[in-house]
Amino acid sequence: GQQLNQSPQSMFIQEGEDVSMNCTSSSIFNTWLWYKQDPGEGPVLLIALYKAGELTSNGRLTAQFGITRKDSFLNISASIPSDVGIYFCAGQERFGAGTRLTVKP
Amino acid sequence: DAGVIQSPRHEVTEMGQEVTLRCKLISGHNSLFWYRQTMMRGLELLIYFNNNVPIDDSGMPEDRFSAKMPNASFSTLKIQPSEPRDSAVYFCASSIHWGTGELFFGEGSRLTVL
Repeated sequence: GQQLNQSPQSMFIQEGEDVSMNCTSSSIFNTWLWYKQDPGEGPVLLIALYKAGELTSNGRLTAQFGITRKDSFLNISASIPSDVGIYFCAGQERFGAGTRLTVKP
Repeated sequence: DAGVIQSPRHEVTEMGQEVTLRCKLISGHNSLFWYRQTMMRGLELLIYFNNNVPIDDSGMPEDRFSAKMPNASFSTLKIQPSEPRDSAVYFCASSIHWGTGELFFGEGSRLTVL
């Protein structure tokens, strides 16, 4: 089946640092999405990307849809403690394994 | 507006018992997805429906799992008989249109099978 490879698996950073995570796939997707999951809750959509090459920002978050349609990255600038959580990439309805982000104040 | 509503939030049951998880979609959404989340396997897509019709159930682990969507706003996921390896958090998500990938998740049902 379709497999998404998300990296890194986890990150430990200081407050104020920038963060980058990415996702690759052997399959082409028409949509790439990024979600965040807080403990005890379901994932929440952060950014949706619909066109190859598209670069989209949402506040301190920036995501890009790779030109090959097989990859995407998410950047978080100037991290804050509430950025802590698990970030998932998704190719349409298929999810990556997640990146667990810890932000030290 | 109410989001996706799942029940129960927590269930502890004994091996061999039947488990039924319930999900109410967001009004106006016509696609419904069931996921299972574990530490080992992450978020696995079990099955999804579009306009009440099951589209892809290839992620359903075994015949012990079944899902129904008796109407446009409600779905159930049933496990019969349950086994300890079924212990996980089960999420339901809905979408306005199938194929957009923009999913709205419920808070999940944490299942523990002893």
